[in-house]
Amino acid sequence: DTGVSQDPRHKITKRGQNVTFRCDPISEHNRLYWYRQTLGQGPEFLTYFQNEAQLEKSRLLSDRFSAERPKGSFSTLEIQRTEQGDSAMYLCASSYSTANYGYTFGSGTRLTVV
Amino acid sequence: KNEVEQSPQNLTAQEGEFITINCSYSVGISALHWLQQHPGGGIVSLFMLSSGKKKHGRLIATINIQEKHSSLHITASHPRDSAVYICAVGSDKLIFGTGTRLQVFP
Repeated sequence: DTGVSQDPRHKITKRGQNVTFRCDPISEHNRLYWYRQTLGQGPEFLTYFQNEAQLEKSRLLSDRFSAERPKGSFSTLEIQRTEQGDSAMYLCASSYSTANYGYTFGSGTRLTVV
Repeated sequence: KNEVEQSPQNLTAQEGEFITINCSYSVGISALHWLQQHPGGGIVSLFMLSSGKKKHGRLIATINIQEKHSSLHITASHPRDSAVYICAVGSDKLIFGTGTRLQVFP
């Protein structure tokens, strides 16, 4: 297993376009998390899954954002009608659901909306 | 007031110096994490601790649950330690501090 993979690494899009990011977690991990990080700030929680069930969504996640994990393996995060304020690093992490196991983070997808 | 506060925000050091980064939190936690982030974004987990002290190489992390405070120490700092160090707390999801940017000069 090569860790948590995110694709693409970088995405530049025009305002108003839709974008989709993919995260492949460590295969044994049943939890998958999405975080967003803007410049100079710590990451902020967006949503997380246990297997295929989306257990929690942050109030930060507007209706333009949707995340799926259809078979409990990889996950996608889609942003519709992108805005300049969506420009950020989108980080994915995975873990076991048992308490007090660590997280493994992906390298992130850097989104720039122009 | 943020739920997780780190200090200092920025730190510069000469190679070989002893480094301390502090983290205070205001929420109840099951675990506290210290993470390292290099330019380009990737985050590496350094420590997860719920009590006491952990050591890995030149890195030491301590936590005082009663005082809701943790410290990350780097002994004999090296330029390759230059990175952003982030404290995070939580179990189901993490609440992050804003990070401490460390630069170690030769």
